[in-house]
Amino acid sequence: QSALSQPPSASGSPGQSVTISCTGTSRDIGTYNYVSWYQHHPGKAPKLMIYEVTKRPSGVPDRFSGSKSGNTASLTVSGLQAEDEADYYCSSYRGSGNWGVFGGGTKLTV
Amino acid sequence: EMQLVESGGGLVQPGGSLRLSCVASGFTFRDYVITWVRQAPGKGLEWVSAVSGSGATTYYADSVKGRFTISRDNSRKTVDLEMNSLRAEDTAVYYCAKDSYYDSSGSDAFDVWGQGTVVNVSS
Repeated sequence: QSALSQPPSASGSPGQSVTISCTGTSRDIGTYNYVSWYQHHPGKAPKLMIYEVTKRPSGVPDRFSGSKSGNTASLTVSGLQAEDEADYYCSSYRGSGNWGVFGGGTKLTV
Repeated sequence: EMQLVESGGGLVQPGGSLRLSCVASGFTFRDYVITWVRQAPGKGLEWVSAVSGSGATTYYADSVKGRFTISRDNSRKTVDLEMNSLRAEDTAVYYCAKDSYYDSSGSDAFDVWGQGTVVNVSS
């Protein structure tokens, strides 16, 4: 069982928006503003899409946005495109000495 | 361009050993923690191990503690994962990844990933 909880699947039509949730606890998401989201296409390397809850690495489209409320973080993908179809994983900081606390992943179907 | 390339995966019998390697390029290697993350068939991402920039501090998931050993050689820009007493549940694609933050002691953000190397533990 993963430390962070995500819905197993999400879907939307091209051009629509979809939001994926990630629920943690007061030990992680609820305390720290360090939540990341990764996009993973099967057979490829995972890609960092969001870090520090809302920030996008260079090159990530602004269609991807992140937010947080209490113990739950969210990833919103606006203007869905076919290439957005992938698995998405959230991750949260949990204090010094802790690494890569991941959610179970959400399969996004476009 | 920052890059990580893994190697060393393969088929190994239960109880056997395997050594994975990760070679880095395009960034100041010694300044960043490098981690190993795996994905078992049909499962999600699981963090496995991490090593500090100097190599002095190592971290392990409970599932591999005592069986896996991580190390790095900053002169060769490599990180190795020595895996012993392998079990069927260690079967996975193993990725090495670079921490986003300079000289951190804990992180959730890995900004550079390799393509992965496949480890299959089976008789």
